[in-house]
Amino acid sequence: EIVLTQSPGTLSLSPGERGTLSCRASQSVSSNYLAWYQQKPGQAPRLLIYSASTRATGIPDRFSGSGSGTDFTLTISRLEPEDFAVYYCQQYGSSPGTFGQGTKLEIK
Amino acid sequence: QLQLQESGPGLVKPSETLSLTCTVSGGSIRSSSYYWGWIRQSPGKGLEWIGSIYYSGSTYYNPSLKSRVAISVDTSKNQFSLKLSSVTAADTAVYYCARSLLFNYDSVAYWGQGTLVTVSS
Repeated sequence: EIVLTQSPGTLSLSPGERGTLSCRASQSVSSNYLAWYQQKPGQAPRLLIYSASTRATGIPDRFSGSGSGTDFTLTISRLEPEDFAVYYCQQYGSSPGTFGQGTKLEIK
Repeated sequence: QLQLQESGPGLVKPSETLSLTCTVSGGSIRSSSYYWGWIRQSPGKGLEWIGSIYYSGSTYYNPSLKSRVAISVDTSKNQFSLKLSSVTAADTAVYYCARSLLFNYDSVAYWGQGTLVTVSS
């Protein structure tokens, strides 16, 4: 199965700054089937991005995804207070779908 | 608006079978090209896709759990269910039911709120 490694483990930034989160796959992700999720404490994850770069319905345009093959990035252009959470990537191009271990985005 | 709600016991004894049901509202489980699945999250293993089902009954399981998992669907009730047998403490987790993205059975577009299942005697 494909192993996803997210970096950094924790990212400390201030509101208004730009956040860049990385997800690296152990082998190429078929059809760039890579999703990003946001999870806040006590809540289920929420889909942000799918197919590496397509925003899900209702997701603000400050969230963007990029990358292909084995290297993917989630960028948050200007951090809002509500963006501080844990972010996960998931590949669903090769079964079984697998998740990264998460990046915690915290307020500096 | 699509909503998914898990239900079932929050405590299961070791070696017994974990059983959960997901009730879908705001949409039909018969929607073509979408799959209905289960994911779990534990501190030790993170997020793990368990398996999915299509309304016709076709199932897809994570090989790591395949020998112990069964997912079924009841279209008349707009529900689907998970059974995980021979549970151990390692199966303690928050269990989420979910609907997939189009066509990809191990993708996740919508999540239920999750239910904590503890395996303990």
